[in-house]
Amino acid sequence: EDQVTQSPEALRLQEGESSSLNCSYTVSGLRGLFWYRQDPGKGPEFLFTLYSAGEEKEKERLKATLTKKESFLHITAPKPEDSATYLCAVQGGSNDYKLSFGAGTTVTVRA
Amino acid sequence: NAGVTQTPKFQVLKTGQSMTLQCAQDMNHEYMSWYRQDPGMGLRLIHYSVGAGITDQGEVPNGYNVSRSTTEDFPLRLLSAAPSQTSVYFCASSYSRTLGRRGQETQYFGPGTRLLVL
Repeated sequence: EDQVTQSPEALRLQEGESSSLNCSYTVSGLRGLFWYRQDPGKGPEFLFTLYSAGEEKEKERLKATLTKKESFLHITAPKPEDSATYLCAVQGGSNDYKLSFGAGTTVTVRA
Repeated sequence: NAGVTQTPKFQVLKTGQSMTLQCAQDMNHEYMSWYRQDPGMGLRLIHYSVGAGITDQGEVPNGYNVSRSTTEDFPLRLLSAAPSQTSVYFCASSYSRTLGRRGQETQYFGPGTRLLVL
């Protein structure tokens, strides 16, 4: 069974203080690793998909990287508007349709 | 495009009552799914559909029914509500039935329905 563990559960940052979120996974044949952002009271919003170890993707202050066992979401010089819960999910080779989600990391950026 | 819409936004039920959570998308997506989100846990797949007339069970299907008579709509029915079904429910859709297919994997989520069962 595919498993995803995110750490830390919560992260409090000062504006401008860069940091990283971790997503550790076990999956039979990774087809894709997904990062989502979720604001309070809203549905998850797609950020990135990574397909193979060594791949990196960037969007504004966010950069996602992937190894064979984990993914990192780096937040560079965060702003208060980056405050949200960040979700990681994987799709394994055994199932076309199912994403396995981690519990998320809640990031709070103080001005 | 409205994207993925869900109604109602919030609902309170008594144990044993039934109800239907509505989900609609206007992007002509093949794949639609229902998840529930509970504190401290990841989103868990309840049911999914790969096209009109085709549905299948996800990770936590017990107590829920679905049908897909049109491409646009994918309602979730609670047959006899239980307190354990108190949760936030999200509907999602994507173009591709194979989420890992490059360039077609973006899954769009609705705003959610918050359900409280007393």
